[in-house]
Amino acid sequence: AQSVAQPEDQVNVAEGNPLTVKCTYSVSGNPYLFWYVQYPNRGLQFLLKYITGDNLVKGSYGFEAEFNKSQTSFHLKKPSALVSDSALYFCAVRDVNTDKLIFGTGTRLQVFP
Amino acid sequence: DAGVIQSPRHEVTEMGQEVTLRCKPISGHNSLFWYRQTMMRGLELLIYFNNNVPIDDSGMPEDRFSAKMPNASFSTLKIQPSEPRDSAVYFCASSLRTGVNEKLFFGSGTQLSVL
Repeated sequence: AQSVAQPEDQVNVAEGNPLTVKCTYSVSGNPYLFWYVQYPNRGLQFLLKYITGDNLVKGSYGFEAEFNKSQTSFHLKKPSALVSDSALYFCAVRDVNTDKLIFGTGTRLQVFP
Repeated sequence: DAGVIQSPRHEVTEMGQEVTLRCKPISGHNSLFWYRQTMMRGLELLIYFNNNVPIDDSGMPEDRFSAKMPNASFSTLKIQPSEPRDSAVYFCASSLRTGVNEKLFFGSGTQLSVL
């Protein structure tokens, strides 16, 4: 079965510093990977996706993610964090057999001024 | 576009009562998904529709839960009778079509509290 794991419940980073939110995946076949962000009292918003092609994927709000096949990882990154980036981040994988989007448990990002 | 619209935003009810959650997907989207979010279980897919037809309801927890999509612009998720363990945030999402490449657009959710 397809799955993703987010090993960190929370990540704390100072404003202006680079941030990384980790995600590893387990799939049979080609991975179709996504990152979503959830702000308080809001639904999830799409950030970026990896389907095929370049291993570095650029998305919304200055975020990017690096696909690493050998490490089965898809970490979310941003060179310089903003306080407004504080939110809950979800990694997800598309199950090609059922077409379902399977979410990880989420990582809370806290950016301190 | 107004995005995916869910109502109500908050629902407080007593155990045993019927609860109906509503969703209006983005116009032109052919796929609709119902998710439930709790602290303990995270985001769970309950059911999804393609072209108004239920495709997979394996995530529906019990027979107390039912979902319908009578037309392309409206869906309901009903819980009858409701129980305290049903308390959660329920999200509706839509996408243009099914497929591994498609991103989902989520509504703001319905916060359900069953007392």
